[in-house]
Amino acid sequence: DGGITQSPKYLFRKEGQNVTLSCEQNLNHDAMYWYRQDPGQGLRLIYYSQIVNDFQKGDIAEGYSVSREKKESFPLTVTSAQKNPTAFYLCASSIGAGGSSYNEQFFGPGTRLTVL
Amino acid sequence: QKEVEQDPGPLSVPEGAIVSLNCTYSNSAFQYFMWYRQYSRKGPELLMYTYSSGNKEDGRFTAQVDKSSKYISLFIRDSQPSDSATYLCAIPAIKAAGNKLTFGGGTRVLVKP
Repeated sequence: DGGITQSPKYLFRKEGQNVTLSCEQNLNHDAMYWYRQDPGQGLRLIYYSQIVNDFQKGDIAEGYSVSREKKESFPLTVTSAQKNPTAFYLCASSIGAGGSSYNEQFFGPGTRLTVL
Repeated sequence: QKEVEQDPGPLSVPEGAIVSLNCTYSNSAFQYFMWYRQYSRKGPELLMYTYSSGNKEDGRFTAQVDKSSKYISLFIRDSQPSDSATYLCAIPAIKAAGNKLTFGGGTRVLVKP
């Protein structure tokens, strides 16, 4: 089955620790995205990548870092510099990014991060 | 002003009722309009999308766009308990790099049997 997997489903971390969230897709999509979701605030874009070895900051990139070494993988690191990291993190992918029409984004199941 | 605004609800309706959901947006250049459905603790899934103004129907779901008012709507007819979810409107900035989506805050819907 093609799709997007995120692991782990639940993650707990102590203040001051970095943590990496995994996102893998087997849809052969070029573009991948990371969003953060807080209650009542919808989804906010953290980082996105249009192609391997390239990525851009979204609207709330401070305190986060990403890499895109493989087409299938787009891990997100939540660093200790992120002041309010407790949230639901969603990864998405699309065939392409940009152009004259919209390319549907497909979402993974999410990772709920709690900072203790 | 936020680019996309949506009433957070919750919206509680009896089974079989019509559910009416709305979003307003600020940028008149937007062309595509999407509705995502998100079940609790799951990722969103695309429900419908429309291009420019007008209506689009898919089974029990109807999406409407009124570009003159910058207003988009989603109607669910004959609502079922399985429709209980959060509904998010989203608008892509297709002329900007990255195929980026701007989401409304989501409206939580509860359909009671």
